[in-house]
Amino acid sequence: ELKVEQNPLFLSMQEGKNYTIYCNYSTTSDRLYWYRQDPGKSLESLFVLLSNGAVKQEGRLMASLDTKARLSTLHITAAVHDLSATYFCAVTVTGTYKYIFGTGTRLKVLA
Amino acid sequence: DSGVTQTPKHLITATGQRVTLRCSPRSGDLSVYWYQQSLDQGLQFLIQYYNGEERAKGNILERFSAQQFPDLHSELNLSSLELGDSALYFCASSVSQAQETQYFGPGTRLLVL
Repeated sequence: ELKVEQNPLFLSMQEGKNYTIYCNYSTTSDRLYWYRQDPGKSLESLFVLLSNGAVKQEGRLMASLDTKARLSTLHITAAVHDLSATYFCAVTVTGTYKYIFGTGTRLKVLA
Repeated sequence: DSGVTQTPKHLITATGQRVTLRCSPRSGDLSVYWYQQSLDQGLQFLIQYYNGEERAKGNILERFSAQQFPDLHSELNLSSLELGDSALYFCASSVSQAQETQYFGPGTRLLVL
């Protein structure tokens, strides 16, 4: 069964600290996506990673992809309260256009 | 504001009924995607349309169907509704069929009583 696992599921961190969210998937994939969801809101696309070794950065967030390890990371640098949200990763299965989502990581940044 | 609109915002209905959710993509976007988010199932991809044609199908139940019209808006039809269909339904759009960056609508919250 295809699985996309994120860890941790919950993360409480202090402002100014660094941390990494991990996304593991169990099958070959064409693309990996990261999304943000604020409470009661819709989803916002953060990154699309297309190839092995891809790295993308936006502000305090940096995402990377290792297709051989079937692992993506979302690194948070010097966290601020505004980053508090739930973060989802998703993959498309090679040869299909089906998306599989991870369980989400609920991030809370404490002042 | 992503530019993607969804109607209605909220919908309350009874088991066994049928509802239609509507999505208008961003101007110029040809692909529309539908997703379901519930506490039990998490986020699930339902279906993708590109320029009127079905492109990919995910965990969409047989009781559910969708279509994309010539003006590129899309509708998701849910029939024989069950309590477990209560969820947030999002649509998203993107420029092409390559599944690049997607822009999400605000969602329709469906409650089946």
